Amino acid sequence: DARVTQTPRHKVTEMGQEVTMRCQPILGHNTVFWYRQTMMQGLELLAYFRNRAPLDDSGMPKDRFSAEMPDATLATLKIQPSEPRDSAVYFCASGLVKGTGGSYNSPLHFGNGTRLTVT
Amino acid sequence: AQKVTQAQTEISVVEKEDVTLDCVYETRDTTYYLFWYKQPPSGELVFLIRRNSFDEQNEISGRYSWNFQKSTSSFNFTITASQVVDSAVYFCALSWGSTLGRLYFGRGTQLTVWP
Repeated sequence: DARVTQTPRHKVTEMGQEVTMRCQPILGHNTVFWYRQTMMQGLELLAYFRNRAPLDDSGMPKDRFSAEMPDATLATLKIQPSEPRDSAVYFCASGLVKGTGGSYNSPLHFGNGTRLTVT
Repeated sequence: AQKVTQAQTEISVVEKEDVTLDCVYETRDTTYYLFWYKQPPSGELVFLIRRNSFDEQNEISGRYSWNFQKSTSSFNFTITASQVVDSAVYFCALSWGSTLGRLYFGRGTQLTVWP
């Protein structure tokens, strides 16, 4: 089965350090999402891309977070500088969305997540 | 507001009991999609089912079944003869055309199945 691959699985870092999380979407999927999961907020969308172009990153703190897709096989989420409140599980997901109305050809498939702890 | 409500925060059952997880949604769109995802203790999010708003047929997959009722804006999930391996957090999610695939998740229901 095709899978979304995220690295690293776990990351422990000190406050102020840069953190980079990577995601390899499923081949052929044209939409990539970054979600963050915390006990307080649940699953919240940080950013998403279609055909590598950013569609919405309003969920991200702009001063410290950045999301990019250097190519179709790689999406990155960076935090600089990291803070303890950034501790969470970060999920990448990919899907195939067709048409301007957003009709689907596949549901979103999620990676296993990156568990980030900032001390 | 367009949103998903899972009123049950936690449910505990004993193995072999049937259990229903509730999901109520709100949307202004006539074309939308509903999903269920499972998050076992290992943490990954596993896709279970997707329904579109034009298909109200109930669906059964093994011990899992889903009841979609537009009249009550509900998309409930039933596990028949629950097993310990069903213990997980279950998320209901909503998407609609203009969101281009973005999922809006409920807060999840923690299901614990005791042996």
